[in-house]
Amino acid sequence: KAGVTQTPRYLIKTRGQQVTLSCSPISGHRSVSWYQQTPGQGLQFLFEYFSETQRNKGNFPGRFSGRQFSNSRSEMNVSTLELGDSALYLCASSLGTPQETQYFGPGTRLLVL
Amino acid sequence: QKEVEQNSGPLSVPEGAIASLNCTYSDRGSQSFFWYRQYSGKSPELIMFIYSNGDKEDGRFTAQLNKASQYVSLLIRDSQPSDSATYLCAVNTNDYKLSFGAGTTVTVRA
Repeated sequence: KAGVTQTPRYLIKTRGQQVTLSCSPISGHRSVSWYQQTPGQGLQFLFEYFSETQRNKGNFPGRFSGRQFSNSRSEMNVSTLELGDSALYLCASSLGTPQETQYFGPGTRLLVL
Repeated sequence: QKEVEQNSGPLSVPEGAIASLNCTYSDRGSQSFFWYRQYSGKSPELIMFIYSNGDKEDGRFTAQLNKASQYVSLLIRDSQPSDSATYLCAVNTNDYKLSFGAGTTVTVRA
């Protein structure tokens, strides 16, 4: 099976712009989770989607949003980018129950200038 | 109090030695526990998961879980230079998210 894919892999934006990141889960996986990883804060949970419904959301401002499509692919959007949004954004997929392992994609490295 | 805490690193061990990594969690309702390995510049990859109290072995890796003490550990036996990475402890509390520790960086000296 193909793994989790994320596009783009690298992105450079300027403050105030917005960005959309995409994630395609492993075939058959219906849950997609998004995480932000920074050197200072580590891996932090953004949100999780299952069958197009957001089931949980982390403590991030409303500038961070996401959605999931009927084919389980997911997108996350960050509006009005700030310098502090520079991070590695990771997507993980699983079958959808809490006990299931989450498998990570390669990530999108975002640099905000 | 952080949800998941790991022993601070970095941890340096000689090749062939045992590396011991520890993790504690705050939510007693946590049900599933994972160890991920992350090489520099890469994404986390699963090493092991454990759900029940006791030990679980997979090759050179052994995970140990003690729910009463809210403690999970990972032992790496016969450590190899390729084991040099950051190890992340993750806990799932049945609310569809993983909470991660800050990670412990392991260096295996040849």
